Amino acid sequence: QKEVEQNSGPLSVPEGAIASLNCTYSDRGSQSFFWYRQYSGKSPELIMFIYSNGDKEDGRFTAQLNKASQYVSLLIRDSQPSDSATYLCAPYTGGFKTIFGAGTRLFVKA
Amino acid sequence: DADVTQTPRNRITKTGKRIMLECSQTKGHDRMYWYRQDPGLGLRLIYYSFDVKDINKGEISDGYSVSRQAQAKFSLSLESAIPNQTALYFCATSFRGSDTGELFFGEGSRLTVL
Repeated sequence: QKEVEQNSGPLSVPEGAIASLNCTYSDRGSQSFFWYRQYSGKSPELIMFIYSNGDKEDGRFTAQLNKASQYVSLLIRDSQPSDSATYLCAPYTGGFKTIFGAGTRLFVKA
Repeated sequence: DADVTQTPRNRITKTGKRIMLECSQTKGHDRMYWYRQDPGLGLRLIYYSFDVKDINKGEISDGYSVSRQAQAKFSLSLESAIPNQTALYFCATSFRGSDTGELFFGEGSRLTVL
């Protein structure tokens, strides 16, 4: 089993819809979770960080964490074509060593 | 100018050649990392360094070596390049005092080994 599992996609949604990106992880010691966005040919950039069970909202983005189920998700409301990118889930287990999932490609159709 | 700079940005080389990828940062961060990215496999950690005298192997260190020449400089070497080392390589930094451990990435170095 991979440490971090993400559906590779592509996930295709129409403009204005909600995009739902999911991630499961195997290490129960994971303390916090990052979502990085990576545009094609570019470097990853952090868009969300969550460490407590429940929801965290930042603008159009909501991260959801369920540690008991070892599940974290990212919702993007009112999706825009500019949201088309690969989204990387990255649990952080401490010691400042971050492990990344393979990423989910999102395509938002105008 | 980028806070985390990688050179070269693109490199094509032949099997058996020695290659060095360089990374320098102006963020003042103490921690530096080298990742490689392959399609379908995401980012995998090669080496990381928490300060100048601290070097640690990551998930996939075989065939690679690193040097931390200064707090701001971290180089990755491929002693004898092979085709399956063809990938996109990212240098990243983080700050010990950060609450989150957020990584800041360079723009990437695309390496092709023929």
